[in-house]
Amino acid sequence: QVQVQESGPGLVKPSGTLSLTCAVSGVSIISSNWWSWVRQPPGKGLEWIGDIYHSGSTDYNPSLKSRVTILVDKSKNQFSLNLRSVTAADTAVYYCARSPRSYEHDSSWFDPWGRGTLVTVSS
Amino acid sequence: SYELTQPPSVSVSPGQTATITCSGNTLGEKYVSWYQQRPGQSPVLVLYQDNYRPSGIPERFSGSNSGNTATLTISGTQAMDEADYYCQTRDSNTVIFGGGTKLTVL
Repeated sequence: QVQVQESGPGLVKPSGTLSLTCAVSGVSIISSNWWSWVRQPPGKGLEWIGDIYHSGSTDYNPSLKSRVTILVDKSKNQFSLNLRSVTAADTAVYYCARSPRSYEHDSSWFDPWGRGTLVTVSS
Repeated sequence: SYELTQPPSVSVSPGQTATITCSGNTLGEKYVSWYQQRPGQSPVLVLYQDNYRPSGIPERFSGSNSGNTATLTISGTQAMDEADYYCQTRDSNTVIFGGGTKLTVL
């Protein structure tokens, strides 16, 4: 079955760059799916960060767009997240997920999700 | 920007029906997905495109969406259903989540 797994540093300094990778298994990343990042600050709700298709097409949360880059690495069947100029407000559990999309219905959803990785922004 | 509003908390007795709402402007014209998140765990998709259940999700989970409100209904609620529930939709190439509802089974 499809599985996704996040990896990356758990601690990032303020003003630095948060970099995470999501390894995909059980399906090719060039299948007809989008791939996504979602985050959840401690004790708070879910916030969508952005999506990528294997062609390189991306959609980003407007509130984060100026600081976010999502890339896909087809050779490694993985995709990545870079979030620049981080502050304490970026401290969160970061999830990656597969995001099937229905163009006919303009809908998308997230399934499955990774286990998540806690990234703390602190000096 | 588009917003989804959920009640912060809902309580239900075991075996009864739990109803969790998600409100947004003309939400009935969009498609809604629902996620269950148990404490310390990752979210799990329980419904997509308003009322489709992924494989492995019990039939007691159902959904509807019309007007300005989408609804997640859990029939015969069990103790294991106690969790946070989030609704989600798309608007103008962006994804929006509701603030989440804590379902307590007592």
